[in-house]
Amino acid sequence: SQQGEEDPQALSIQEGENATMNCSYKTSINNLQWYRQNSGRGLVHLILIRSNEREKHSGRLRVTLDTSKKSSSLLITASRAADTASYFCATDASNTGKLIFGQGTTLQVKP
Amino acid sequence: DAMVIQNPRYQVTQFGKPVTLSCSQTLNHNVMYWYQQKSSQAPKLLFHYYDKDFNNEADTPDNFQSRRPNTSFCFLDIRSPGLGDAAMYLCATSTQGQLYGYTFGSGTRLTVV
Repeated sequence: SQQGEEDPQALSIQEGENATMNCSYKTSINNLQWYRQNSGRGLVHLILIRSNEREKHSGRLRVTLDTSKKSSSLLITASRAADTASYFCATDASNTGKLIFGQGTTLQVKP
Repeated sequence: DAMVIQNPRYQVTQFGKPVTLSCSQTLNHNVMYWYQQKSSQAPKLLFHYYDKDFNNEADTPDNFQSRRPNTSFCFLDIRSPGLGDAAMYLCATSTQGQLYGYTFGSGTRLTVV
C-alpha cells in the first residue's frame, strides 16, 4: 500500500526561484527521506529527517517534518536548470525496516 | 568508489523467457532491496534481504524470485516475463537502521517483446 502522497505532481519554475514540494503520509514513521531521480536513472538520496526532528538543511535544501500532521516539505532555494528531475519522499514506517515511496513531484527548472 | 552496480543497464527479453537481473555492491551493506518502477510511477518494493533473511512483499507476484548468494550480490529472477513486467528495476542497499538512507544502483530497464 502506498504510504506517501506528494503535491504538486508537477512543478515548473524559472531558474533562481524557489521550489517547494509537499509530502503526506499515513502511518507512524522512524524517518522520512527525500530522493531525486533524473530521467531514466536511479534514485539519489538527498536528505533524511528523523521523526524527532522538525527541520533539516543541506546546502540549498531545507526539509521540514510535522509528525502531528503527518507531512513533510522539501524546499529547494535558488533553483538551477540542473535541479530538473523527479523528487520522491519515502517513509521508513516504524518497525518495518523498509522504505515506501510517494508518487513523486516532477520539477522543471527553466533557464 | 563504493557503489551499487546493476547489470545490464538495458535488457530485452522475449515474452515468457526467463531473465535474470543482477546487482552488486561494494558498500558491505547488510540489507539489499529490489524495487520495480513503471513509467511515471513510484518505485514499488518487491522484496528485500536482511543479511540472508528473505522478505517478500505480500503483493509481489510469484513470477518474481530473488537470490542473494553472498553479501555483495543479489539477483532478481523473472521466471516468465509478461508484457506487464516491462519496467525499470532498481536495486538498493542500506545499513541496519538506515542511518544514512538507501544507496541505489542506476537501474535496469527491462523491455519484454
